[in-house]
Amino acid sequence: QKEVEQDPGPLSVPEGAIVSLNCTYSNSAFQYFMWYRQYSRKGPELLMYTYSSGNKEDGRFTAQVDKSSKYISLFIRDSQPSDSATYLCAMKNSGGSNYKLTFGKGTLLTVNP
Amino acid sequence: DADVTQTPRNRITKTGKRIMLECSQTKGHDRMYWYRQDPGLGLRLIYYSFDVKDINKGEISDGYSVSRQAQAKFSLSLESAIPNQTALYFCATSDRTGSDTQYFGPGTRLTVL
Repeated sequence: QKEVEQDPGPLSVPEGAIVSLNCTYSNSAFQYFMWYRQYSRKGPELLMYTYSSGNKEDGRFTAQVDKSSKYISLFIRDSQPSDSATYLCAMKNSGGSNYKLTFGKGTLLTVNP
Repeated sequence: DADVTQTPRNRITKTGKRIMLECSQTKGHDRMYWYRQDPGLGLRLIYYSFDVKDINKGEISDGYSVSRQAQAKFSLSLESAIPNQTALYFCATSDRTGSDTQYFGPGTRLTVL
């Protein structure tokens, strides 16, 4: 079983839709959970960061972590064409190996006008 | 100006050639990383450095070497390039705080013929 699983998509939605992106993981030691957004031919940029379980909201974006189910989600409300990108989940331990990010393979999202 | 810069942005080279990719950062971070990104395989860690004198292999270091010339500069070398090293290469930095969030450069697209 891979440490982090992410559906690669592609996912295509109309403008204004609510988008749900998800990752599952197997390593119960993961404590930090991140979502990166990567536009075509660009580097990943940090979108959301969550420590341990719970929800975090930033504008149209909400990140959820359910450690009991080993499941994380990113919700995008009122999606816009500018949200079209690949979304990568990433996670890591705390403690001595906390440098090591484990990435999902990314979900390609297209928001159609 | 960008916080993390990479040069060159695009490079085409031939099998057997030596090539160096350079990364510079103005974020003042101690930690620097080199990743490669391949379709279907996601981001994989090649090398990482916690400071100028601390350099470590990542999960796919074979065929690569690195040099940390200064806190702000971290170079990746391919001693004898081969076609399966064709990929997108990203440099990242982090500041060893609790979240140790990684910030990525814009990437170098390398093609080995």
